[in-house]
Amino acid sequence: QKEVEQNSGPLSVPEGAIASLNCTYSDRGSQSFFWYRQYSGKSPELIMFIYSNGDKEDGRFTAQLNKASQYVSLLIRDSQPSDSATYLCAAKGREYSTLTFGKGTMLLVSP
Amino acid sequence: DAGVIQSPRHEVTEMGQEVTLRCKPISGHDYLFWYRQTMMRGLELLIYFNNNVPIDDSGMPEDRFSAKMPNASFSTLKIQPSEPRDSAVYFCASSLNGNTIYFGEGSWLTVV
Repeated sequence: QKEVEQNSGPLSVPEGAIASLNCTYSDRGSQSFFWYRQYSGKSPELIMFIYSNGDKEDGRFTAQLNKASQYVSLLIRDSQPSDSATYLCAAKGREYSTLTFGKGTMLLVSP
Repeated sequence: DAGVIQSPRHEVTEMGQEVTLRCKPISGHDYLFWYRQTMMRGLELLIYFNNNVPIDDSGMPEDRFSAKMPNASFSTLKIQPSEPRDSAVYFCASSLNGNTIYFGEGSWLTVV
């Protein structure tokens, strides 16, 4: 059974701090990994994806992947109250397979 | 470009009634997914289509659920008869070549 695990949170950080969101996955065949942000009452929206070991940066967001440890993380620098949302990690297996989602981590950024 | 369009956005129905949820994927996308989201179980994949053909329906809870995709621009998810435990948000999503998945706004279903 493919599983993606996330701490449900909430993770509370002050405005301006770095928020670190973590995710582990069980399927070693997973090829790529996605981070979605979901505001309350809204649909998930893609933040970024990563498929190579190491870091990938996009603005204030950095995704990190360690396939040996089956670990993915998302760092949000200079956190803003508008970043308060649930962050969903998802893993994708071989080409054309579907995404398996974690249950998400709630992030609260306080002014 | 228009995103994934779902209807209805909200539905309240009585137990035993038939519910039909509709979805129009992003034009040109060849994959369509139906997900269900609840607090307890998170986002669960119910079924997905590739080029209008159902590929994997192993996530469909039981025979009360059915899904169709008669053409590339339309899909339905039907629940008959509905039960209170079916109350959830149902998301339709689409992708091109099975890559990045884009979600619709969701259909919020309450069965009383």
